[in-house]
Amino acid sequence: SQTIHQWPATLVQPVGSPLSLECTVEGTSNPNLYWYRQAAGRGLQLLFYSVGIGQISSEVPQNLSASRPQDRQFILSSKKLLLSDSGFYLCAWRPGGRPQETQYFGPGTRLLVL
Amino acid sequence: AQKVTQAQTEISVVEKEDVTLDCVYETRDTTYYLFWYKQPPSGELVFLIRRNSFDEQNEISGRYSWNFQKSTSSFNFTITASQVVDSAVYFCALGSYTNAGKSTFGDGTTLTVKP
Repeated sequence: SQTIHQWPATLVQPVGSPLSLECTVEGTSNPNLYWYRQAAGRGLQLLFYSVGIGQISSEVPQNLSASRPQDRQFILSSKKLLLSDSGFYLCAWRPGGRPQETQYFGPGTRLLVL
Repeated sequence: AQKVTQAQTEISVVEKEDVTLDCVYETRDTTYYLFWYKQPPSGELVFLIRRNSFDEQNEISGRYSWNFQKSTSSFNFTITASQVVDSAVYFCALGSYTNAGKSTFGDGTTLTVKP
């Protein structure tokens, strides 16, 4: 069966510090991968998605970036965090890019920028 | 453009009450897919159901039921005899080929079931 991991589970970082969040998927190959952010009490905002190694699509301009160095690894990064980067970050995968496919979400990372 | 509206930001009910969560969507596509996800306090979203635009049959799964009406572009979710464990944020989502297969999520409805 497929499993999705995210780490760390929680993170407190000072403004201006770098960020690296990691997501890995097990039990599948060539998945579509997604990074979402959920601000407190708000909905899901799609940040990035990837259909393959090295292929990243950005949904919103911001100081975050994403990379996919391996088939089942998706990394969210920042060189300098802002207060507004605080939130709950969710990684998700689906088997392909078809709209009828269910997305499966990881446990998330709670990021607090102070 | 696609849009999903969950007008109810927060709902509070007492255990054993029935509750309906509304979802209204907008799309120009004739083929599309609707989803409901549950986000318990732990944070991880859990898939509940998927419907395609050609299947308007309502579905029941235990205490959960879904009412899909294309005429009103709605896909409402009803929990019968609610329980405290139903307390969560519920998201409705829409997917279609026009949006490169990506899902558009509503802002979610926070359901609190009090004992």
